[in-house]
Formats: sequence, C-alpha cells, structure tokens
Amino acid sequence: AQSVTQLGSHVSVSEGALVLLRCNYSSSVPPYLFWYVQYPNQGLQLLLKYTSAATLVKGINGFEAEFKKSETSFHLTKPSAHMSDAAEYFCAVTQGGNSGGYQKVTFGIGTKLQVIP
Amino acid sequence: DAGITQSPRHKVTETGTPVTLRCHQTENHRYMYWYRQDPGHGLRLIHYSYGVKDTDKGEVSDGYSVSRSKTEDFLLTLESATSSQTSVYFCAISLAGGPTDTQYFGPGTRLTVL
Repeated sequence: AQSVTQLGSHVSVSEGALVLLRCNYSSSVPPYLFWYVQYPNQGLQLLLKYTSAATLVKGINGFEAEFKKSETSFHLTKPSAHMSDAAEYFCAVTQGGNSGGYQKVTFGIGTKLQVIP
Repeated sequence: DAGITQSPRHKVTETGTPVTLRCHQTENHRYMYWYRQDPGHGLRLIHYSYGVKDTDKGEVSDGYSVSRSKTEDFLLTLESATSSQTSVYFCAISLAGGPTDTQYFGPGTRLTVL
C-alpha cells in the first residue's frame, strides 16, 4: 500500500520568503515521488520527480525537493517566493513493480500556496 | 505543452441525464487516464486505458464507463448523472504507465449536476 500526506492544505508566505511545502509518504517498497503544480483553471504539470538517481532533485521555476528515507519525507522548497508561485501543489507517489504495466499513482490532497506582496 | 484537449470545458446537466466527456491527445501516448478532483480528496483515478479497447477501473469507478476506440481519444461516460458526480474532471496521458512516468494533464472539464 502507498499513501502521501501533505501537511497544511493552505500555506501563506511573503514574497521573497522561503517556500516549504511538506510531504510525507508511506510505501511498502522503495517509492518514486513527484511534485505537480496546478495554476488556477489549469491542469497539473510536473515540477520535479525522484526516481532514485539522486536524493536532491531540482525542478522547474527554482523549486527543489530532497528525498529523506529516514524521515519518509519529500518536502518541496524554494528559497525566494514569487507572486507567480501562487498555485496548488500536489505530492504523489508510485511504487516500482516487477510485473510491468501500469503502476498506480497516489496523489496527496494538495497544498494551496498564497504569496503575499 | 502536451497536446491534450478536453471537451466540453464546462457543462451543467440535470440529475439522471447521460453525459459524455471527451479527451483527445496528439502525442500518441499509450496510457490515458480519467481523474476527478474534489476539495479535500486531491485527484482520484476513475478509469484508465493502456491501449485501444483496453481499459481498467480505478479507485472511484462506480457510475462511470469509458471507451477508447482510437489511440487519440478516450471517452468518459456518466450513464445517469448524480449530484455526487459534480466535480472537475481531468484527463491525463503517459507514455508507458511505468512508475517513473510523468503524467501530462489536460485543462479539465468542470461538470455541475443539478
């Protein structure tokens, strides 16, 4: 079984401040982890993903996330928030399998980021 | 941007009415998905397809059916719409459905069932 927990459905930061969005996962096998972003009235798009190559993953728009197995976490950070970062962010997890084919993706409930001028 | 379109983008319908949503892709990706997005639930998978005429259920498939007669089109049908199916529906595609695959999402369809 796999799941993700996003702590904080709403997060507010000032423009220029650090962005930290939290994601903890549960997985019975080594996971693969994703962060997607959804801008208003749009579909989701990939920010970054962890595929076991490196624990620190850099994504688009200055975001990065670090996979910490000991903490079962994959928190998303950005050093300095921009107004354009206001969006909803989703953490997601999949598991590797031996059978091939479709591997279920489990999404978190999302965190809405508000950036205050 | 991935070439994914959804139609209609908005729809208001009455309880008990059949509704069909269409997803069209120009990327020739093998896998296609239908999700619904509801506050407090994130995205939940309704059905997915791994090829023409090959489909399978997701976690919230009751009340929904799908069809894929061409690689590029994936239809979601609500046979008899209910108010609990008021939601935003997203189509997504991926190349191979594997655990590290990126999913590419369409712009969504906002469905209201009165």
